[in-house]
Amino acid sequence: EDKVVQSPLSLVVHEGDTVTLNCSYEVTNFRSLLWYKQEKKAPTFLFMLTSSGIEKKSGRLSSILDKKELFSILNITATQTGDSAVYLCAVEALTGTYKYIFGTGTRLKVLA
Amino acid sequence: NAGVTQTPKFRVLKTGQSMTLLCAQDMNHEYMYWYRQDPGMGLRLIHYSVGEGTTAKGEVPDGYNVSRLKKQNFLLGLESAAPSQTSVYFCASKKERELYEQYFGPGTRLTVT
Repeated sequence: EDKVVQSPLSLVVHEGDTVTLNCSYEVTNFRSLLWYKQEKKAPTFLFMLTSSGIEKKSGRLSSILDKKELFSILNITATQTGDSAVYLCAVEALTGTYKYIFGTGTRLKVLA
Repeated sequence: NAGVTQTPKFRVLKTGQSMTLLCAQDMNHEYMYWYRQDPGMGLRLIHYSVGEGTTAKGEVPDGYNVSRLKKQNFLLGLESAAPSQTSVYFCASKKERELYEQYFGPGTRLTVT
């Protein structure tokens, strides 16, 4: 059965800290791994990682994909209170057609 | 360009009642999805569509039906609501089958009493 596991489940840090969020997966026919940020409403897209793009960076956020060890990490440096959210990892896999399997998310709280 | 919109935002139903959730997207996307999000469970796929007139079952389709009569709309129906269907429902769309991200709607919070 395809599955995506995120850790830790929750995290509390202070502003300025660096955090690392983990996502491991076991899927057949992997196609891509995506990170989303979910505040109060809709998840918003952060990064997509594929076989041809295993490292992405945008400002204070960066992510890498290890296809051999089947995991990804999302790093946030110099955290701010606005980074407080649930971070979702999703893996796109080909099971009949292309579908996404989501992890349960990591809840990050950044204290001022 | 509104992106993905969902109607209604909130709804309370009694057990056995029916309702339809509407998802609309103005990005001309081919693929559309319905998910439910429950505490500790992550997002789970209910049904999806790869184009106008097509629908397919996802991970948790029981108790739900869908229709995609127009490319821009994807409807999720509950014929006889049950308390287990209390959840937050998200619609998402994606441009096509190639490597694109999903865009999510704001969600519908449904409570079944």
